[in-house]
Amino acid sequence: QVQLQESGPGLVKPSETLSLICSVSGGSVSSYSWSWIRQPPGKGLEYIGYFYNSGSTTYHPSLKSRVSVSLDTSKNVLSLRLTSVTAADTAVYYCARRVGYGDGFDIWGQGTMVTVSS
Amino acid sequence: QSVLTQPPSVSAAPGQKVTISCSGSGSNIGNNYVSWYQQLPGTAPKLLIYDNNQRPSGIPDRFSGSKSGTSATLAITGLQTGDEAEYYCGTWESSLSAHVVFGGGTKLTVL
Repeated sequence: QVQLQESGPGLVKPSETLSLICSVSGGSVSSYSWSWIRQPPGKGLEYIGYFYNSGSTTYHPSLKSRVSVSLDTSKNVLSLRLTSVTAADTAVYYCARRVGYGDGFDIWGQGTMVTVSS
Repeated sequence: QSVLTQPPSVSAAPGQKVTISCSGSGSNIGNNYVSWYQQLPGTAPKLLIYDNNQRPSGIPDRFSGSKSGTSATLAITGLQTGDEAEYYCGTWESSLSAHVVFGGGTKLTVL
């Protein structure tokens, strides 16, 4: 079955760029839309952005100027890049696969904790 | 402050039924599909319901979802101790700043 695995640095300095990848195994990435979602410690879920199977992207309005999401179909890898990070970007970052007509996410990675600190 | 409003907590005894509400507006729940997630401590969210009332394979029919107007409801029957978790609703926000939105979460305690 399809599995997702996030990876990347666990610690990023303020003002630097956070880069994560999500490796997709057990299935093709090109047939689905994919998303990044984060969860600050002790808080709820926050949408970051989508990479649609059409090739287009959308982002949370509060992050739009700093974020980009891309998909490498040859490597089955979804990527996240978030620039100029601050402590407010400290969170567990998840990648997830969209299912259905709406915005349900049926498969999630285990998540990776990213701390922004000097 | 979340765009979607959920009660912070609900509780019920094992074997009972509990409902969790998710209140929004015409620009989100009113015109878009709703999904529901269960999150156990230290784990990733798990999809329980998508497209308002569809269960992914493997999700027992004790879990059901419904939507009416600008509100949605998750119902769990035959409560088990293993159902004790945080529950989130989610949908699309169709305003100018279109994006996915989630509720603030509801902690379910099985007494």
